[in-house]
Amino acid sequence: DAGITQSPRYKITETGRQVTLMCHQTWSHSYMFWYRQDLGHGLRLIYYSAAADITDKGEVPDGYVVSRSKTENFPLTLESATRSQTSVYFCASSPGTPHGELFFGEGSRLTVL
Amino acid sequence: SQQGEEDPQALSIQEGENATMNCSYKTSINNLQWYRQNSGRGLVHLILIRSNEREKHSGRLRVTLDTSKKSSSLLITASRAADTASYFCATNTFNDYKLSFGAGTTVTVRA
Repeated sequence: DAGITQSPRYKITETGRQVTLMCHQTWSHSYMFWYRQDLGHGLRLIYYSAAADITDKGEVPDGYVVSRSKTENFPLTLESATRSQTSVYFCASSPGTPHGELFFGEGSRLTVL
Repeated sequence: SQQGEEDPQALSIQEGENATMNCSYKTSINNLQWYRQNSGRGLVHLILIRSNEREKHSGRLRVTLDTSKKSSSLLITASRAADTASYFCATNTFNDYKLSFGAGTTVTVRA
């Protein structure tokens, strides 16, 4: 089905491990975003990308790495997971027009033990 | 960072009643958007209002924007059980396409 998909939907890992959350969209949207959602904080932007090979830091980028070699994929890597990175992670995309609406994936719930 | 703040944090109403929630933000914006999130799901875009607009309607939704007060309101009329969800406002500025979200209002519609 067309849309934006995240995987895995649920992940449990241990402190210090590397974890990669995948995001794939079929619309060829230019802009892609990673947010984390924590109780009391709403959604906070981690990284975003305006196009393939163009990425930039958001509000809370420390401990995360992104890449965007292809327009449709925007993986988020936690290089050495910490308990504070336990969260629900949302990937979103937006068409070529800036300031438009975002289309969200269903989220990846990550627990770091 | 630019961020909207919703008020109230939680709202419980009877089916058929109207639900109103507010959003305040800090600096000048390009547009303001409202999103809905059902439990365990991703956010879904509801409505976008531009900085030069004062009111917008979409079905049972009515959004107002007062740029002089840096605030917006979302009204859901004749609420249904299916409206039970969290609602978020999000803003961006003219020179930045990143959306900044508030912490959300949780709405419970009782049957």
